[in-house]
Amino acid sequence: EAGVAQSPRYKIIEKRQSVAFWCNPISGHATLYWYQQILGQGPKLLIQFQNNGVVDDSQLPKDRFSAERLKGVDSTLKIQPAKLEDSAVYLCASSPRGGIAGNTIYFGEGSWLTVV
Amino acid sequence: KNQVEQSPQSLIILEGKNCTLQCNYTVSPFSNLRWYKQDTGRGPVSLTIMTFSENTKSNGRYTATLDADTKQSSLHITASQLSDSASYICVVFFSGTYKYIFGTGTRLKVLA
Repeated sequence: EAGVAQSPRYKIIEKRQSVAFWCNPISGHATLYWYQQILGQGPKLLIQFQNNGVVDDSQLPKDRFSAERLKGVDSTLKIQPAKLEDSAVYLCASSPRGGIAGNTIYFGEGSWLTVV
Repeated sequence: KNQVEQSPQSLIILEGKNCTLQCNYTVSPFSNLRWYKQDTGRGPVSLTIMTFSENTKSNGRYTATLDADTKQSSLHITASQLSDSASYICVVFFSGTYKYIFGTGTRLKVLA
């Protein structure tokens, strides 16, 4: 079974530039998550989709971050304009169905962003 | 406030030795607790999942314990190997809002 796919793996941009990350979840998984993981910290949820609807985006900095999930499958996370503090790993994850206690979240390998 | 705290922050041990990582949580009500292993440069991978009614669960050389009364969990690694070098993250499912709450992780380094 193919895992969660993410691209690009690494990206270096200057502050105030924009960047987009792409995620393809495990086939059939209804729930898709974007997490931000700063070095030395645990993942922080940015946004959670259930199919193509947003379930939780309470911690998404909406003035600069945006995300969409096309047709309930692939998702794109965009940052514009980037700030130095956005340097982090952006983890995409999926689960069969969110909000269910027994679900396991499957993570992708992450997209490493460095803002200089 | 619902929080998950892990200790120690980092740990260095010699290959072949055992170690125990701790997770304390204040999440209530909770449904289950998971331990994830995150290799450097990789995404987290699930090691174990325990419900509030389970006390112990093993996965090879990894054994997780849970005390729901004291809200503590531990991950014990037996006969450590170099490949155990990673971050170990404790995750608690908060039944109140159906969200996963992540700890900050313990960074383990196993030396030859």
